[in-house]
Amino acid sequence: DAGVIQSPRHEVTEMGQEVTLRCKPISGHDYLFWYRQTMMRGLELLIYFNNNVPIDDSGMPEDRFSAKMPNASFSTLKIQPSEPRDSAVYFCASSRLAGANTGELFFGEGSRLTVL
Amino acid sequence: SQQGEEDPQALSIQEGENATMNCSYKTSINNLQWYRQNSGRGLVHLILIRSNEREKHSGRLRVTLDTSKKSSSLLITASRAADTASYFCATGDNFGNEKLTFGTGTRLTIIP
Repeated sequence: DAGVIQSPRHEVTEMGQEVTLRCKPISGHDYLFWYRQTMMRGLELLIYFNNNVPIDDSGMPEDRFSAKMPNASFSTLKIQPSEPRDSAVYFCASSRLAGANTGELFFGEGSRLTVL
Repeated sequence: SQQGEEDPQALSIQEGENATMNCSYKTSINNLQWYRQNSGRGLVHLILIRSNEREKHSGRLRVTLDTSKKSSSLLITASRAADTASYFCATGDNFGNEKLTFGTGTRLTIIP
């Protein structure tokens, strides 16, 4: 299995531009999580899906952020418009049917976003 | 908000020594997990301990859990240079959801 695949690995953009981050979870995993990691705030859960349905988006910082999961093998996290404070590493993770409460998360390698 | 707080924030030891990291959390948990993150990489799961367990071993890793003190420790024995990484504890709560909340991490450096 290829693991969780994220793209792009690095993105540098200017303030105000739209940013789209992509994630392909491990096949057969029913849960997908988006986390953001910064030095100041550590790892923050932004949103998670179960069977492609958003379950909890309380961590999404504001309306500029949106996430979708159109099918079991693909999810996007979009920031529009982007701001310098959005600079961070964004991680996607997936887990099996039992979910995070009884199982482990498998993380992608992350997308490092820099907004100038 | 951070559920777990790791202690110490950073730790440097000589290769071959044992490394101990601690994690404290605030709310009732279902399980506690430890993850490792190498620089510039994603997190990798190390071990999971359930709330009704007190100790668990996996290779050179030993994890303890004290629910009365809301704390856990991760011991890495006979450390190797390859163990250099950041280590995070993560908790799943008892509120019926599937969220894992991560602590602030301990940066471990093994000096060859």
